[in-house]
Amino acid sequence: AQTVTQSQPEMSVQEAETVTLSCTYDTSESDYYLFWYKQPPSRQMILVIRQEAYKQQNATENRFSVNFQKAAKSFSLKISDSQLGDAAMYFCASRDFSNNDMRFGAGTRLTVKP
Amino acid sequence: ETGVTQSPTHLIKTRGQQVTLRCSSQSGHNTVSWYQQALGQGPQFIFQYYREEENGRGNFPPRFSGLQFPNYSSELNVNALELDDSALYLCASSWDRAGTEAFFGQGTRLTVV
Repeated sequence: AQTVTQSQPEMSVQEAETVTLSCTYDTSESDYYLFWYKQPPSRQMILVIRQEAYKQQNATENRFSVNFQKAAKSFSLKISDSQLGDAAMYFCASRDFSNNDMRFGAGTRLTVKP
Repeated sequence: ETGVTQSPTHLIKTRGQQVTLRCSSQSGHNTVSWYQQALGQGPQFIFQYYREEENGRGNFPPRFSGLQFPNYSSELNVNALELDDSALYLCASSWDRAGTEAFFGQGTRLTVV
């Protein structure tokens, strides 16, 4: 069974600075996806970035990048040049190729200070 | 905007009642998943439908059931509501069976009193 752990309930960052959100996961599968979702106060989950476990290269999407350490089962999200609009809850999630059960962590609340 | 809409946005029900929540997916999205998000927690997978058939289920009792229709709409039904069913219910749609990229709706906030 998959489990996803986010050990930082809250994080804060100064506008224009860089912040890293941590995530560890556990799965017995060799093929799986990892995701970071953003949930602003509007409640709608928005996909930030996705990583396929078989790809060694870390995914990047503009100011968002991940540090994927497969052996350590670690999947951190780095947000560069933080903006006020980045303030939200961030959820790390994993899904095995073999099933449709996407498991989420408990989330990290990110505050961006002007 | 993800193109996935849910209704209603909020509702209040009494313990023991039944409720139906609705989701309208993007056109062409054959897969819909439902999640329960309790306050302060991450979403938990309830079940998934692909082309109108259940395609996976999480650890939820049978009183949670669903339907998916050919017009890309779907329903989540919960019978015999309990206080612990109070949560935000999210639906997510995908174009492929694997649900490679899920597009979420804004959720329905259910309060059971």
